[in-house]
Amino acid sequence: GAGVSQTPSNKVTEKGKYVELRCDPISGHTALYWYRQSLGQGPEFLIYFQGTGAADDSGLPNDRFFAVRPEGSVSTLKIQRTERGDSAVYLCASSLGRGPPLAGELFFGEGSRLTVL
Amino acid sequence: RKEVEQDPGPFNVPEGATVAFNCTYSNSASQSFFWYRQDCRKEPKLLMSVYSSGNEDGRFTAQLNRASQYISLLIRDSKLSDSATYLCVVMGGASGGSYIPTFGRGTSLIVHP
Repeated sequence: GAGVSQTPSNKVTEKGKYVELRCDPISGHTALYWYRQSLGQGPEFLIYFQGTGAADDSGLPNDRFFAVRPEGSVSTLKIQRTERGDSAVYLCASSLGRGPPLAGELFFGEGSRLTVL
Repeated sequence: RKEVEQDPGPFNVPEGATVAFNCTYSNSASQSFFWYRQDCRKEPKLLMSVYSSGNEDGRFTAQLNRASQYISLLIRDSKLSDSATYLCVVMGGASGGSYIPTFGRGTSLIVHP
């Protein structure tokens, strides 16, 4: 398919475990974003990649969260020592543009629903 | 104060009604504005960009008021299929040339027969 692909679609884990969430963006999209969304809230920014580098990681809540995009395409969001408060839908989006307005035209994946018991 | 604020609703309207949502933003340097639509348990999808002069796409009209720092979305002749959450998105104006789309919490619209 030509859209943004995220795996797994659902992940249930126990408190304290390590989790990896994967995002495969649309081919040719240099910008990649990770957001997380809790029930009744809008997507909350986590980190933004332009190519291979993290251009802005100011939204990562603490040092348990880390993301990589080693070859400028697929990205992995890594969460260490998960906590119940990490439970949310983690959304990945890609975009064609480096700046507005194209950079605001995000194409989202279906998300990875993380549940920490 | 949140960067982007929306009334969460829900707005409950009959088919055929006209409904309008507003969204306010706090950063006066913001440059680009968008409305996204999100269906229940689905990912957000771009509905329309908001241009300075206002723009229309079928039954949907978006407007920007920079002086008062708000954008609006007007939906005419509401359809059952318009039931969704409408997310306001603002971007630009950040330091270092980094552009991060910032989402509001969304406004829920329920169109009933």
